[in-house]
Amino acid sequence: EDKVVQSPLSLVVHEGDTVTLNCSYEVTNFRSLLWYKQEKKAPTFLFMLTSSGIEKKSGRLSSILDKKELFSILNITATQTGDSAIYLCAVVDSNYQLIWGAGTKLIIKP
Amino acid sequence: KAGVTQTPRYLIKTRGQQVTLSCSPISGHRSVSWYQQTPGQGLQFLFEYFSETQRNKGNFPGRFSGRQFSNSRSEMNVSTLELGDSALYLCASSKDTGVYGYTFGSGTRLTVV
Repeated sequence: EDKVVQSPLSLVVHEGDTVTLNCSYEVTNFRSLLWYKQEKKAPTFLFMLTSSGIEKKSGRLSSILDKKELFSILNITATQTGDSAIYLCAVVDSNYQLIWGAGTKLIIKP
Repeated sequence: KAGVTQTPRYLIKTRGQQVTLSCSPISGHRSVSWYQQTPGQGLQFLFEYFSETQRNKGNFPGRFSGRQFSNSRSEMNVSTLELGDSALYLCASSKDTGVYGYTFGSGTRLTVV
């Protein structure tokens, strides 16, 4: 059965710290991997990754995919309280179905 | 432009009742997908509608159903509610069928007592 596992499930850090969120997957027919940020209710799109080793970057956030080891990481540098959210990872399979991880709840303390 | 609108925002129902949730997609978006989100379970796919046709369905019992209207607005219905149906129900719209370009609504928080 296809699955996506995120770790840690929750994380508490202080403002200014750097965090790394992990997403590993076992999906038979991988097409791409997506990262979303869910602050209150509506998840918002962060990154789409399809190729190994190519870093996607947006401000203090960056993400990379390793298709050999079947995982992706999301890095946030110089964290701010506004980064507090649930970060969701999802894999798109060949049928364009999304397989979601359970999410990582990130809390940034001032 | 207006985002994806879900109504109602909150709902409390009693076991055994039925409920209908509504989702109005972004103008021009023809695909609407529904998800159930519970703590620790992530998002569970319910179904996707495109041009009034159900294109994909997740592994939920037949108590969960949906439909899409000609204006792309979608409704989902849950009959004979169970306590375990308490969750955040999210809908997402996109221009074409598929999962790229999703815009999520803010969801409906359903509590079954």
